Amino acid sequence: NAGVTQTPKFHILKIGQSMTLQCTQDMNHNYMYWYRQDPGMGLKLIYYSVGAGITDKGEVPNGYNVSRSTTEDFPLRLELAAPSQTSVYFCASSYTGLAGGNKNIQYFGAGTRLSVL
Amino acid sequence: AQSVAQPEDQVNVAEGNPLTVKCTYSVSGNPYLFWYVQYPNRGLQFLLKYITGDNLVKGSYGFEAEFNKSQTSFHLKKPSALVSDSALYFCAVRDGGADGLTFGKGTHLIIQP
Repeated sequence: NAGVTQTPKFHILKIGQSMTLQCTQDMNHNYMYWYRQDPGMGLKLIYYSVGAGITDKGEVPNGYNVSRSTTEDFPLRLELAAPSQTSVYFCASSYTGLAGGNKNIQYFGAGTRLSVL
Repeated sequence: AQSVAQPEDQVNVAEGNPLTVKCTYSVSGNPYLFWYVQYPNRGLQFLLKYITGDNLVKGSYGFEAEFNKSQTSFHLKKPSALVSDSALYFCAVRDGGADGLTFGKGTHLIIQP
C-alpha cells in the first residue's frame, strides 16, 4: 500500500524559478490537501480539493497554484519562488463519504523539503 | 475561525511514568479533534480522533485522549511512557466543514530512559 506519495523529497530552487511538487494517492480518497510546515509554527493549509476539478484556497495560498484533473493527483505549483517559500510541504488525503471507520482521517505523505535561495 | 493551542513546547517524562500532552481548541460548531505524531524527517501519522460519542478515545500505540467540552480540551495521555514515544505531537481540529485541519504548533515529547 503506497498511500500518499510525494516527489521530490528534496529540492533547491533559485529565487524567481518555478516548479511543481507532485502528490498522488492510491486510496481513492475524494479530498486532498497541501500544507506547509515551518519550524515552531505547526502546519498551515495552502489549498485543498474536494474532488476532481474542484479546488479552494486555504489559509496561506499566495504564491501557489493547484489543479486536480484526476482523483489520484494533486500537484502544487510554485510560481516565481521566493525565500519565504522555503519550507517542508506535505500533501494529505482523506475520505469523507457516508460510512467507514477511517472517515475524516487525513493521511500524509512523507513531505518535500524545499529551499529557495 | 477555529484555533488550537498547545501550551507546552516540550514535555519531559521519565520512561515508565504517565504522560500528558495538553491541547485546547476553539471552534464555532461541533469539533472534530485529532492527534498526530511526527518522527524526524517523516510525515504525520494519525494517532486518534474524536468525532462524537464517548469522551475517552483510544488510539494507536497505547495512547488515549479525553474530550472535555466544558474546558474545550483534548489532552493526549498514556499510562506508561516508552523511549520510542519521543517525537513531535500535533493536536488538530476542524468544525466539520470541507476545508483542512487547523493544527497546533506541536509539542516535543521527550522520554528519558
